[in-house]
Amino acid sequence: DAGVTQSPTHLIKTRGQQVTLRCSPKSGHDTVSWYQQALGQGPQFIFQYYEEEERQRGNFPDRFSGHQFPNYSSELNVNALLLGDSALYLCASSLGGGTSYEQYFGPGTRLTVT
Amino acid sequence: AQTVTQSQPEMSVQEAETVTLSCTYDTSENNYYLFWYKQPPSRQMILVIRQEAYKQQNATENRFSVNFQKAAKSFSLKISDSQLGDTAMYFCAFGYYNNNDMRFGAGTRLTVKP
Repeated sequence: DAGVTQSPTHLIKTRGQQVTLRCSPKSGHDTVSWYQQALGQGPQFIFQYYEEEERQRGNFPDRFSGHQFPNYSSELNVNALLLGDSALYLCASSLGGGTSYEQYFGPGTRLTVT
Repeated sequence: AQTVTQSQPEMSVQEAETVTLSCTYDTSENNYYLFWYKQPPSRQMILVIRQEAYKQQNATENRFSVNFQKAAKSFSLKISDSQLGDTAMYFCAFGYYNNNDMRFGAGTRLTVKP
C-alpha cells in the first residue's frame, strides 16, 4: 500500500520565481492538506483540498494556491517567491476532512529560495 | 485562536528508561482533539497517539501514553522503555472537530542514548 508521496525532494529557486510542488495521497484517501514547516518550527496549515476544491485555508497570502485533480493528487503553487518561503513543505492525506480523521504525512519537499 | 506550547526544545533519555514530554494548549472551546506526532530524521511525520477531549480516559498505544489534564490544558506524552528508534522530533498538535486547521507546537527533539 503506497503511502503519501511528494515530488520533488529538494528544490532551489530564486526570489521572485514560481514553484509547483506535487503530492499523491495514500491509496483510498480523498483529502489533501498542505503544511509549511520552517526550520526549527512546527508545521503550519496552508490549506486543504477535497473534491477538487479548497475547503479551508490557513493564514497564508494569495501567492500560495493549490489544485486537486480527479485522482485526488494535489499541487501547491507559490508565486513571487520570497526568502521567507524557504521551508519544508509537507503534504498530508486523509479520508475525509476535519481533525477527527487521521492524517498521513509525506516526506516533504525542501524548498530553498536564494 | 488556539495555541500549542512545548516548553522543552530538547530532551535526552537512556535506552530502556522512561521520559515525559510536556505540552500545554490554549482554547476556550470544549470539542477538540490532541495529538502527538513523531518526525524521525527521515522527516516523515507519524501519528503516535490521539486523545479526544471528551474522553476522560488517557489514551495509550503500547509504550506511549498520555496524561491529559483538561482543566489545566496540559497534554504530556510518556514514553516507556525508550528505544533508539524513538529518537526524533515530537510535535504536540491540536485540532477542533470538523476543522482542518491543525495547530502544532514548536517540537521537542528527543535523543535516546545507548
